[in-house]
Amino acid sequence: EPEVTQTPSHQVTQMGQEVILRCVPISNHLYFYWYRQILGQKVEFLVSFYNNEISEKSEIFDDQFSVERPDGSNFTLKIRSTKLEDSAMYFCASRPPGLPSNQPQHFGDGTRLSIL
Amino acid sequence: DAKTTQPPSMDCAEGRAANLPCNHSTISGNEYVYWYRQIHSQGPQYIIHGLKNNETNEMASLIITEDRKSSTLILPHATLRDTAVYYCIVRVRGPPQISSGSARQLTFGSGTQLTVLP
Repeated sequence: EPEVTQTPSHQVTQMGQEVILRCVPISNHLYFYWYRQILGQKVEFLVSFYNNEISEKSEIFDDQFSVERPDGSNFTLKIRSTKLEDSAMYFCASRPPGLPSNQPQHFGDGTRLSIL
Repeated sequence: DAKTTQPPSMDCAEGRAANLPCNHSTISGNEYVYWYRQIHSQGPQYIIHGLKNNETNEMASLIITEDRKSSTLILPHATLRDTAVYYCIVRVRGPPQISSGSARQLTFGSGTQLTVLP
C-alpha cells in the first residue's frame, strides 16, 4: 500500500540554524499538509498546500516557516532560524483529489526535530 | 468544525471487542466523523470515516447514532498492537469541486488512550 515517507527520521540542529524537513506524499495526491506535535501535547495543524500555493495556515506558521513543492514528488517544510520551542515531531500528510472531497488524509511517521 | 468529547482512557482485554465512544452533540448535517489512531512515536493512522450510515472496513466498524450526536468505533477483536491513542474528529464536508477551499485541516483533540491487556 502506498505511503507518505518523511526524511530524516530524526534531525538535530543548533538553535538559529535553518532546517529543511522532507516529505514524499502519495503519488496521486494533490493536497499536502504539515502538522507538528510537541512532546506530550496534541497534534497541531501548521499549513495546507494545494495547486502550488498555501491554502490555509495556523498561527504557528509564522514568517520563519515556509513550504515548497520543488518537484513533482517532494514537499518540504523549512524553518529559517530555529528556536528551542520548535523541538517537536513534524508530520506530513497528503490527501487524494476527486470526489467525494472528504477523502481522508494519510500521514507519514514524522521527523523528530531536536533543537539544541 | 464541531467539538468532540472522548474518555481519556479505556482498557480492553485482548481478543475482545473494543468499543470507543465519541460525543459530537453540535455536529451539523454536512460534517463527517473521522477516526484516527496514533501508536506511540508514529504518525496518525486513518481508520474509518462516515456521515450518517454505519461503516465497516478491514480495521473497524463505525456506528453513528440516528441523531448523529455520538458515534462508537468498534475494533472487533482487539490485539496488543491496537494499543494506541484514538482520535474522533469531526470535519466539515468539502465542496464537490476541487478547490483550495476543500483542503481543510484536521483538528486533533486529546483522544482516548486504549490499552489492550493480555
